[in-house]
Amino acid sequence: EIVLTQSPATLSLSPGERATLSCRASQSVSSYLAWYQQKPGQAPRLLIYDASRRATGIPARFSGSGSGTDFTLTITSLESEDFAVYYCQQRSNWPPRLTFGGGTNVEIK
Amino acid sequence: QVQLQESGPGLVKPSETLSLTCTVSGGSITTYSWSWIRQPPGMGLEWIGSIFYSGNANYNPSLKSRVTMAVDTSKNQFSLNLTSVTAADTAMYYCTRGRVEYGSSPIDYWGQGTLVTVSS
Repeated sequence: EIVLTQSPATLSLSPGERATLSCRASQSVSSYLAWYQQKPGQAPRLLIYDASRRATGIPARFSGSGSGTDFTLTITSLESEDFAVYYCQQRSNWPPRLTFGGGTNVEIK
Repeated sequence: QVQLQESGPGLVKPSETLSLTCTVSGGSITTYSWSWIRQPPGMGLEWIGSIFYSGNANYNPSLKSRVTMAVDTSKNQFSLNLTSVTAADTAMYYCTRGRVEYGSSPIDYWGQGTLVTVSS
């Protein structure tokens, strides 16, 4: 079973600052990693898939990078609506399953 | 615009079966994968299982003995049954659409979620 570990658990930043979120897999997942944003009371929203491809309608300030076991979600300049919880997710082929990381809470400093 | 809507009881007694249905509108259920994902209050996301229109399903090993998913293409719906529930199954349950043509099988559409509480 592949485990995804996100760090830090909480990131305290001010609007306009750069956010760097990490997701580490317990074994290689190639580039099979996605990122989601979740705001209170809402369902998650897809941001990035296949490690670095932005989903439809996602602003360019969001970018993803990495492959193998180490991945990064970068928000170049935080806007007020970006303060939320972020999850990474991977797909395993055998056994077929999806796995989520524990999340990073990006909060206003 | 694709929309997913969960329906089912919001309260289930311990040891009973949780049953939810997801109705898909704005698109056909005969493509993509369809999954249930849950989130206990204040906690992270847990994948329950995924199903294709063919009926082929994969389940989370930790829940596999208690989970059954089904699809009804005539109604554009898919469903979840979770047996022998306990308080640990209390969560927001989301029905979702997955894009298996991409390596990460990203979830691009989510229902609004339905809160299911297990309590007597």
